[in-house]
Amino acid sequence: ELKVEQNPLFLSMQEGKNYTIYCNYSTTSDRLYWYRQDPGKSLESLFVLLSNGAVKQEGRLMASLDTKARLSTLHITAAVHDLSATYFCAAGPYGGATNKLIFGTGTLLAVQP
Amino acid sequence: EPEVTQTPSHQVTQMGQEVILRCVPISNHLYFYWYRQILGQKVEFLVSFYNNEISEKSEIFDDQFSVERPDGSNFTLKIRSTKLEDSAMYFCASSENANQPQHFGDGTRLSIL
Repeated sequence: ELKVEQNPLFLSMQEGKNYTIYCNYSTTSDRLYWYRQDPGKSLESLFVLLSNGAVKQEGRLMASLDTKARLSTLHITAAVHDLSATYFCAAGPYGGATNKLIFGTGTLLAVQP
Repeated sequence: EPEVTQTPSHQVTQMGQEVILRCVPISNHLYFYWYRQILGQKVEFLVSFYNNEISEKSEIFDDQFSVERPDGSNFTLKIRSTKLEDSAMYFCASSENANQPQHFGDGTRLSIL
């Protein structure tokens, strides 16, 4: 059974600093997604990673995937307050019949001025 | 940009009553999903729906739950005989195909009294 774990659960960082959120998954997966959730809001798709070595970047966020290590990272460069939110990674079981997603526990990111 | 819409945004129901949560997926999407998020916890998969039938469901999705696509646009989740532990945010999502990211609605906050 696929399990997804993230760390850290909570991240307080200062504006301008860099940090990385880690996402480990327990069994083979062929799909890895990153979502952002603002308080009381829905989930916004950030990145889709479908192959080993995939790297995607959007603004100050960069996501990568290492399928051999079963690890994805979300790197934040020069954080700004607007990035404060909860970030979830989600994986899809390999060869699954559908696109069901197993979510990680989430990382609450608080960027302090 | 097309979006998934959910109604109502908040539903308050007495324990033991039935509720129906409604969703309108993005029009050209073929895969539909329900997830739930208990306050402060991670997002959990409930059920996926494709080609007018359930394609996969989780252990949470027991006989108390059912889904239906009554017409060409709506996708509903029915919970019979609600329990206190059903209180959560319920998200509907849709995707164009199995690898594309799922687009989430704003959710229905279900409160069981």
